[in-house]
Amino acid sequence: KQEVTQIPAALSVPEGENLVLNCSFTDSAIYNLQWFRQDPGKGLTSLLLIQSSQREQTSGRLNASLDKSSGRSTLYIAASQPGDSATYLCVTTSNTGKLIFGQGTTLQVKP
Amino acid sequence: ETGVTQTPRHLVMGMTNKKSLKCEQHLGHNAMYWYKQSAKKPLELMFVYSLEERVENNSVPSRFSPECPNSSHLFLHLHTLQPEDSALYLCASSQDGGFYGYTFGSGTRLTVV
Repeated sequence: KQEVTQIPAALSVPEGENLVLNCSFTDSAIYNLQWFRQDPGKGLTSLLLIQSSQREQTSGRLNASLDKSSGRSTLYIAASQPGDSATYLCVTTSNTGKLIFGQGTTLQVKP
Repeated sequence: ETGVTQTPRHLVMGMTNKKSLKCEQHLGHNAMYWYKQSAKKPLELMFVYSLEERVENNSVPSRFSPECPNSSHLFLHLHTLQPEDSALYLCASSQDGGFYGYTFGSGTRLTVV
């Protein structure tokens, strides 16, 4: 049974810092891994999608890596801004299309 | 807009009311989903529709009734709800079993009074 764990559960940093959010998963037989952002009371916004054959994806200040063999993914945020404050979810898609969600990392970037 | 539109954004209903949540996607996806997110809890999958047929129903009470009239629209009909049904209801869509990822809507915040 796939389990997705995100560390840390919460993170508070001053504006401008580079930071790394960690995600680990127990079953490497995944279709892909997706990082989402969720603002309080809102839906999920897709940030980056990494296919199982890929090692990383980049979008602007965001970079996500995937190491299937070790069951790990990281989301790197460069030069953090207060607008980056949100909950970040790591989500794996199984080969049957089932989503498994991490518990999320709640990020606060202080001005 | 993410490509998946949900209406209404907020809904307050009494326990004896009947209401419906609507979800619409124009991404050309062939599967649509309803998720429930209660406070401080992870998302729970409620229903899955693939090619307009319900393929999964995760032990959801019958007071929740989904409907998928076509591949672009999904409804969740609500009747005689309980206060514990208050939550954020999220719609999502995908193509080819999620190979290209999932797209979520902005959600409907439901409060049952």
